[in-house]
Amino acid sequence: DTEVTQTPKHLVMGMTNKKSLKCEQHMGHRAMYWYKQKAKKPPELMFVYSYEKLSINESVPSRFSPECPNSSLLNLHLHALQPEDSALYLCASSPFSSGETQYFGPGTRLLVL
Amino acid sequence: SQQGEEDPQALSIQEGENATMNCSYKTSINNLQWYRQNSGRGLVHLILIRSNEREKHSGRLRVTLDTSKKSSSLLITASRAADTASYFCATDRGSTLGRLYFGRGTQLTVWP
Repeated sequence: DTEVTQTPKHLVMGMTNKKSLKCEQHMGHRAMYWYKQKAKKPPELMFVYSYEKLSINESVPSRFSPECPNSSLLNLHLHALQPEDSALYLCASSPFSSGETQYFGPGTRLLVL
Repeated sequence: SQQGEEDPQALSIQEGENATMNCSYKTSINNLQWYRQNSGRGLVHLILIRSNEREKHSGRLRVTLDTSKKSSSLLITASRAADTASYFCATDRGSTLGRLYFGRGTQLTVWP
């Protein structure tokens, strides 16, 4: 299985809602990443998990809360988001946290109303 | 958090023509990677070239790397309408956490 899956594909939420994005990989990769991408822009790194431990938090607002329950799963919990948080959220994984190829999921398109 | 800069920002060509995209970066790197992104989808890894390599091929793709000029180019030969996508370069600066630094991307449109 060489795929990174993300659910849901689309999400619409109000500013008072709580929702979660899910990411899963079964390639045995030990590093997983969350990116945020606005239209016509490159992906922006939000979080890096290495061996299930949070290693990088790019000063992301606390309304985004990552969780890595095990080496195959990565969640992003959302609470009290703002309209400017509307974006494509991408999950990626790599065998090790070593700067090699990253494998991306299809993303979750989030709209905050 | 970006490092690479691609040019052109947008490129429009006819099917069958070659497409060349360039990427420049500012610091030393371990490797440089090219990714493709179809509209609203995830990124797909195309090719990785290491700092001690100068050229690499994969099918219709040819990547060059000039570390003295801190630049790379991606050539797509005999382009097809299906090549229409955004192309990003990403550099590995040797972070122990595997962080990649993405450029701003080139939007390639191939007309049938």
